Amino acid sequence: NAGVTQTPKFRILKIGQSMTLQCTQDMNHNYMYWYRQDPGMGLKLIYYSVGAGITDKGEVPNGYNVSRSTTEDFPLRLELAAPSQTSVYFCASSSNPSYYGYTFGSGTRLTVV
Amino acid sequence: AQTVTQSQPEMSVQEAETVTLSCTYDTSESDYYLFWYKQPPSRQMILVIRQEAYKQQNATENRFSVNFQKAAKSFSLKISDSQLGDAAMYFCAYRSAYKGGSEKLVFGKGTKLTVNP
Repeated sequence: NAGVTQTPKFRILKIGQSMTLQCTQDMNHNYMYWYRQDPGMGLKLIYYSVGAGITDKGEVPNGYNVSRSTTEDFPLRLELAAPSQTSVYFCASSSNPSYYGYTFGSGTRLTVV
Repeated sequence: AQTVTQSQPEMSVQEAETVTLSCTYDTSESDYYLFWYKQPPSRQMILVIRQEAYKQQNATENRFSVNFQKAAKSFSLKISDSQLGDAAMYFCAYRSAYKGGSEKLVFGKGTKLTVNP
């Protein structure tokens, strides 16, 4: 059971480049989330999904896009990368967020230079 | 909007001793869930313990227990018999229980726990 798998683990982007952070879960969870973690700060929600085909914005969605075409996958797209997007990105999933909390991936450290 | 405050950026404890990490939160809701997550140097976030606001009994998971004071909006984590493997960042988090309410977990900024041998 792999849980939540994020790729890549590390990435350096130049300003203006684009990339997709991949997230896959094999637990058949309906709920999936993308958070970013900046140094000395808690996690901020970027986007979330309550099921395939349904996505919604979190606190800090600007500069990002998501899609949820399958239950398993929830990719995060960064368009026109900016230094402010330098962060650690976490994907998480849950079958019942209130009861079980989230299962997190191991994160992607992204640096924009 | 709900907020979660962890007033201790860093804490340290001797191995085998007990340490308490503080968390307060602000909400106008009466029904919600509270969590403590552990983030070791590997970066993986791990759920430590969970508390339902409508339950007065404090949650316990082995060496980890909470002191939930609903009126004071306080949710502290006690780690007993601290072990070297407990060294990590600890995050307190809040989630609304209301359908149609925010789907997100609201996180505090974290407390870095060091365990000294």
